Amino acid sequence: NAGVTQTPKFQVLKTGQSMTLQCAQDMNHNSMYWYRQDPGMGLRLIYYSASEGTTDKGEVPNGYNVSRLNKREFSLRLESAAPSQTSVYFCASSDSRTSGRNEQFFGPGTRLTVL
Amino acid sequence: SQQGEEDPQALSIQEGENATMNCSYKTSINNLQWYRQNSGRGLVHLILIRSNEREKHSGRLRVTLDTSKKSSSLLITASRAADTASYFCATDETGRRALTFGSGTRLQVQP
Repeated sequence: NAGVTQTPKFQVLKTGQSMTLQCAQDMNHNSMYWYRQDPGMGLRLIYYSASEGTTDKGEVPNGYNVSRLNKREFSLRLESAAPSQTSVYFCASSDSRTSGRNEQFFGPGTRLTVL
Repeated sequence: SQQGEEDPQALSIQEGENATMNCSYKTSINNLQWYRQNSGRGLVHLILIRSNEREKHSGRLRVTLDTSKKSSSLLITASRAADTASYFCATDETGRRALTFGSGTRLQVQP
């Protein structure tokens, strides 16, 4: 099992460009998440999807959109990139049916620089 | 704002010593989890402690939880150079679907 995979690993964009970050998991998890990690700030939740067909905003959703394409895939789109979106982006998944746990499994991250 | 706040922000110890990290939080939780992040990598789940538990062990890891003080500690015994990483606490809050992560403790273990 590959676990959680993310593409691309690195990306450099110019201000105003758009891109989509891809995430896939092969653990049959219901829930998927997108976080951003900035130096000294830990992880902040951008969006999450509790199940296929549903998405909800997290702490910092502005400037992003998401699509839960199917149970395996959850993509994050930047429509018009800004330098403030320079960050490391992590996708995660969890089996929300496991009562009282919500242990999350993380991908390796995408390092995004917006010039 | 971050629910969990780790203390200290950075810790440097010698191989063989014990490392203790603390986490404080603000609201009711279902459980509290600790994750490790090696440089340039994703987070890896280490251990979970439920709100009705006070202490849990896993190998060289010992986690305590004090819900009256809304705090937790992670103890790594007999540390190794390979334990060098950032450690994050994450709270599974009552009524929320997603975890809330703290800002982490950077641990450096000197060989």
